[in-house]
Formats: sequence, C-alpha cells, structure tokens
Amino acid sequence: DVVLTQSPATLSVTPGERISLSCRASESVDTYLHWYQQKPNESPRLLIKYASQSISGIPSRFSGSGSGTDFTLSINGVELEDLSIYYCQQGNSLPFTFGSGTKLEIK
Amino acid sequence: QVQLKESGPGLVQPSQTLSLTCTVAGFSLTSYNVHWVRQPPGKGLEWMGVIWNTGGTRYNSALKSRLSISKDTSKSQVFLKMNSLQTEDTATYYCARGDLGPHFDYWGQGVMVTVSS
Repeated sequence: DVVLTQSPATLSVTPGERISLSCRASESVDTYLHWYQQKPNESPRLLIKYASQSISGIPSRFSGSGSGTDFTLSINGVELEDLSIYYCQQGNSLPFTFGSGTKLEIK
Repeated sequence: QVQLKESGPGLVQPSQTLSLTCTVAGFSLTSYNVHWVRQPPGKGLEWMGVIWNTGGTRYNSALKSRLSISKDTSKSQVFLKMNSLQTEDTATYYCARGDLGPHFDYWGQGVMVTVSS
C-alpha cells in the first residue's frame, strides 16, 4: 500500500501568513494526488485535484504543486475560516490511501 | 444538484452486521463510481471500498473478508454491508462520488456508527 506522510502534524499560523503543507508518498503516485479540507463536524471537501488543478468554488489562495513522491499544498494568506485539518489522498493505486492529516491552528 | 446521503443504524452490537445505504441524486450510478470512506472519532480517513459504474467492486484488503458493496441503480442507492463488527469499527461512515483519478468530488454528510453492547 502507498503510505502518505503529511507534515507537520500541526501548524500554528497567524492570519495573513503564506503557508505550505507537505505530503510525501512512499512510492511514485505520478500526479494522482488530491487534497481535502475537513472542518470540525463536517465532511471532507475537495480542494485540489491531480496535485495542482484548481476546483470550482475553492478560493484562489489555495494551490498545489508536486509530482512523483513530493507534494505541497500552499495557502497564500491564511484566513480564520481555513482552520481545519488537511488531508492528501492518492488515486494512483489500490487501495486508495489518505495521509494522516495536518491540523491548522491559530498561533 | 449532486447529493449523497448515508442512512443506517447508529448503534450496532459487537459481532453483528452493519448495513448502510447511500442514496444519491443529481447523477447516475451507471456513470460514476461510489466509494465508502470511514473515520474513527478523532482520527483520519480510511478508504474502505468502491463500486464502479460498471458494477464491479474493489475493497481495502484490511476489510475485504468482512465487506460487501452493492447497488440498485434504478433506486440510485449504494449499499454497504460489513460483518463481525468490533468496537474499533466505531466511526463516521461516508459515501463519496468518485471522479477520474480517482478523487472524491462530492461527499455525503456521514453517519456515525457506534459498536457497543
């Protein structure tokens, strides 16, 4: 199974900061890497697909990059509403797997 | 408008079978795949399995011997059955529409299932 390692586990941020979250795969997943946001007591929401493709309705401050084994989710100007847990997920090979998540907190 | 909604019992006794239904709207089960994902309280997401638009299925090997996914296309419903439940199966269970990739572009609200006597 492909293991996705997300870092850091928790990130303390100040509103307005530009931040980057990392997701590393145990083997290449090409660009079959997707990002989700999950707010407390809500279902996950798709943020970025295929490593870097934007999703309709998602604010433009969210962007993704990477391919192969190293991926980054960036938020350019964190807002209070972004305080959530962020998960990466690979769709390159079965079983599809998720990372353990990065939690954004207010500093 | 794409919607998915899970339904089923909130409480299941240990060793019993869990039966959940995912009712979809706004798309056809002959055109899209539906996945099941679960999340234990305070923990991360675990992919459980998928029913392809063609009707084929694939399961997480960790659950394969206990899990079955089926569908009734005419009723726009997908069914999950998992037997021999244990306390560690306590989780919120989500169904999600799978698009190419696959990525999960629409999710249900989830149903919390507690395994307890």
